[in-house]
Amino acid sequence: QVQLVQSGAEVKKPGASVKVSCKASGYSFISHHMHWVRQAPGQGLEWVAIINPPTTNTAYAQKLQGRVTITSDTSTNTVYMELRSLRPEDTAVYYCARDVSANDLSWWFDPWGQGTLVTVSS
Amino acid sequence: SSELTQAPVVSVALGQTVRITCQGDSLRKYYATWYQQKPGQAPALVIYDKNNRPSGIPDRFSGSSSGNTASLTITGAQAEDEADYYCKSRDDSGDPWVFGGGTKLTVL
Repeated sequence: QVQLVQSGAEVKKPGASVKVSCKASGYSFISHHMHWVRQAPGQGLEWVAIINPPTTNTAYAQKLQGRVTITSDTSTNTVYMELRSLRPEDTAVYYCARDVSANDLSWWFDPWGQGTLVTVSS
Repeated sequence: SSELTQAPVVSVALGQTVRITCQGDSLRKYYATWYQQKPGQAPALVIYDKNNRPSGIPDRFSGSSSGNTASLTITGAQAEDEADYYCKSRDDSGDPWVFGGGTKLTVL
């Protein structure tokens, strides 16, 4: 079955960097874009970024532009999200999610990884 | 940047029908997608491509759209439907994907 497995929780100090991984299985890794979405404690979902694994073309949320980088490794079917210059407000659960689209009007994210809690605290 | 607006809280009596709405300019062009999130879990897809359900999602869930408003309807709500529901859409201004703020559904 299609599955996304993420790396474990991280605790970082302000100003540090974090790199979260998302390993895909059960489908053709190069046939689907991959998204990252985050959710601060008690808050809603916020789109972070997208990558096309075979080309490594990316797009990022304006709010995080310059601090976030998404990469992919087609040899291991893994996508990575690195967030730099961490701030307390970056504390959130970070999810990867596979992009699926049937046409130019509709995109959906399915499935989602289990989430990785990143805590930024001094 | 565009926004998608959802009511923060909606309640429904057990077995009754409830509609959760999502408003935004992007919905005039793009279909909404709906996700269900239960406490401590990752979001899960419930409605995609206007009104399609993934396997495993009960047929009491349906989606519709009119103008700038998309709706998720649960016909005969069950206790297990109590969750947060998020709409999402593609967007041509600002970030390419945008989520609604989420609706907490309580089943009484």
